[in-house]
Amino acid sequence: EVQLLDSGGGLVQPGGSLRLSCAASGFTFSSYAMSWVRQAPGKGLEWVSSISGGGSTTYYADSVKGRFTISKDKSKNTLYLHMNSLRAEDTAVYYCAKADRISSSYYFDFWGQGTLVTVSS
Amino acid sequence: EIVLTQSPATLSLSPGERATLSCRASQSVNSFLAWYQQKPGQAPRLLIYDASDRATGIPARFSGSGSGTDFTLSISSLEPEDFAVYYCQQRSNWPRTFGQGTKLEIK
Repeated sequence: EVQLLDSGGGLVQPGGSLRLSCAASGFTFSSYAMSWVRQAPGKGLEWVSSISGGGSTTYYADSVKGRFTISKDKSKNTLYLHMNSLRAEDTAVYYCAKADRISSSYYFDFWGQGTLVTVSS
Repeated sequence: EIVLTQSPATLSLSPGERATLSCRASQSVNSFLAWYQQKPGQAPRLLIYDASDRATGIPARFSGSGSGTDFTLSISSLEPEDFAVYYCQQRSNWPRTFGQGTKLEIK
């Protein structure tokens, strides 16, 4: 059974940093791309970042490029999102999501439960 | 960036009725479009991928159609558990984008 467990959210001041984690199980982690998708309070879904199965290729939304870094630790079956220079507009529930196929182009078939990041002074 | 525009923003229907939701892309995405359902406090769930293929475990009352720029999600006979927010999403281009959502509410 595929399971994704998001963690690491919390309250952080503007300009601060945070690292989100997503512990994965139930599938071959190194074969599937993984992504982060966020949802601001009361708003819709926004794709944030994706990383290839092997971890060599990454993509970022313009809104986070240069501030966020996605990575995978294949030995720990864990996905990370390192967030720097946080802004109030980064406040959201962050979901990790698994690719639905072994491909460079995919949808998101399994999602974590989400972790809330609040950026406020 | 491909912009996905969903309509209507809110759809009010009764159980047993048919629901038709629309998603229009700012440029062609071929058939590379998915639909997700999200209930309050829950993560999204993949319903339809590649415009018309049902994901694993999705009931047959959900169907998708369309290609290019115009897509439709249909729910043939609404069950109480179908009232939720629905999002479309494209995998044709980076950045991946979602529509703004359609809220399906009980009339």
